[in-house]
Amino acid sequence: DTAVSQTPKYLVTQMGNDKSIKCEQNLGHDTMYWYKQDSKKFLKIMFSYNNKELIINETVPNRFSPKSPDKAHLNLHINSLELGDSAVYFCASSHQTGSGNTIYFGEGSWLTVV
Amino acid sequence: AQSVTQPDIHITVSEGASLELRCNYSYGATPYLFWYVQSPGQGLQLLLKYFSGDTLVQGIKGFEAEFKRSQSSFNLRKPSVHWSDAAEYFCAVGISPNMLTFGGGTRLMVKP
Repeated sequence: DTAVSQTPKYLVTQMGNDKSIKCEQNLGHDTMYWYKQDSKKFLKIMFSYNNKELIINETVPNRFSPKSPDKAHLNLHINSLELGDSAVYFCASSHQTGSGNTIYFGEGSWLTVV
Repeated sequence: AQSVTQPDIHITVSEGASLELRCNYSYGATPYLFWYVQSPGQGLQLLLKYFSGDTLVQGIKGFEAEFKRSQSSFNLRKPSVHWSDAAEYFCAVGISPNMLTFGGGTRLMVKP
């Protein structure tokens, strides 16, 4: 069973469209994340949710809106897509507290804006 | 703020040769340290991690890494590289496990 699964894996869309990427984890974690990997492979955190509450919100345009309906899901909605939004978006999860925490990543969603 | 540097953007080694990928971090205290691998078109897989204790940590797929406080380094090693090890390797550091900063990655190519 996939621990952190995200859909779709590939998405090609036109500028100005609105799209969503869904993420689900079955690890029983209470913290979920969205990371963005740009064309130069640079990975940067976008958001982090703990028990459905936003705890990290890096400098991200407000066109990006995460939504966490429950602890196991963290979806990413993007409005008015721009060319620069083309990237790989990784969902991840972990336990919030305790030692030995590890962040587990999904397989990524390749977004191409044309 | 913490930062992490992977000085080598690309490394090519022959199959069966040993490997060392470098990672240097900048932070006032000992951070949490991780190595992840990303195969082409795939997500990130954790190879190993260091939180405390023994400075030489063993990971999956025959990888190990050594934390050297004096050098602010956490280099990844493998004694004998296999063709399937060709991938992108990312070092990550964090002041907590939940807030990671990634290095720019090192692309490993393996010659037959």
